[in-house]
Amino acid sequence: GEDVEQSLFLSVREGDSSVINCTYTDSSSTYLYWYKQEPGAGLQLLTYIFSNMDMKQDQRLTVLLNKKDKHLSLRIADTQTGDSAIYFCAERKNTGFQKLVFGTGTRLLVSP
Amino acid sequence: EAGVAQSPRYKIIEKRQSVAFWCNPISGHATLYWYQQILGQGPKLLIQFQNNGVVDDSQLPKDRFSAERLKGVDSTLKIQPAKLEDSAVYLCASSLGGGRRRNEQFFGPGTRLTVL
Repeated sequence: GEDVEQSLFLSVREGDSSVINCTYTDSSSTYLYWYKQEPGAGLQLLTYIFSNMDMKQDQRLTVLLNKKDKHLSLRIADTQTGDSAIYFCAERKNTGFQKLVFGTGTRLLVSP
Repeated sequence: EAGVAQSPRYKIIEKRQSVAFWCNPISGHATLYWYQQILGQGPKLLIQFQNNGVVDDSQLPKDRFSAERLKGVDSTLKIQPAKLEDSAVYLCASSLGGGRRRNEQFFGPGTRLTVL
């Protein structure tokens, strides 16, 4: 099927690390993305990883990719209240016009 | 650089009425996308344009939804007639396209449609 799966909700305290997990569907997907959506706003690209990599670090963000298990994670170090939002993973299909298929989203709540 | 613009931001209509949404992509972006995001779900691609041609409309409910991108720039998405289940946020995105490896999509703020 086309279901990219994510856990629905994550709650952390400010300063802790957050880990958001995603299971995607297509082992031939070329790129995998993490988007952030704040209330009333569109999606903002946070980071991405190419399928031949297993890790990417970008400031407070670390992306881990397990291609064998089709598992993607996003770790946010030193989580801040401004990180509270919904986080979507997305896979870029390696077929046709390479459309993005999004997960269901994980709502991250950061408490002071 | 100006982002993707969408209007209106909010729309409330009754079922069986018609509605249209407008999108102005980032200047120079060849590819334009319309997504439907139902509450509690991720965005789902409805239609993708490359310049003014449709390249993927496999998930567009063509009996009631239509979209066009005249002159390869602005685009409109129309629903006629609307159903209750069309209540969602409609997101427009654009990208440079042209087979670029990363081909990042930039999203507009969306139009929130409520069908009563």
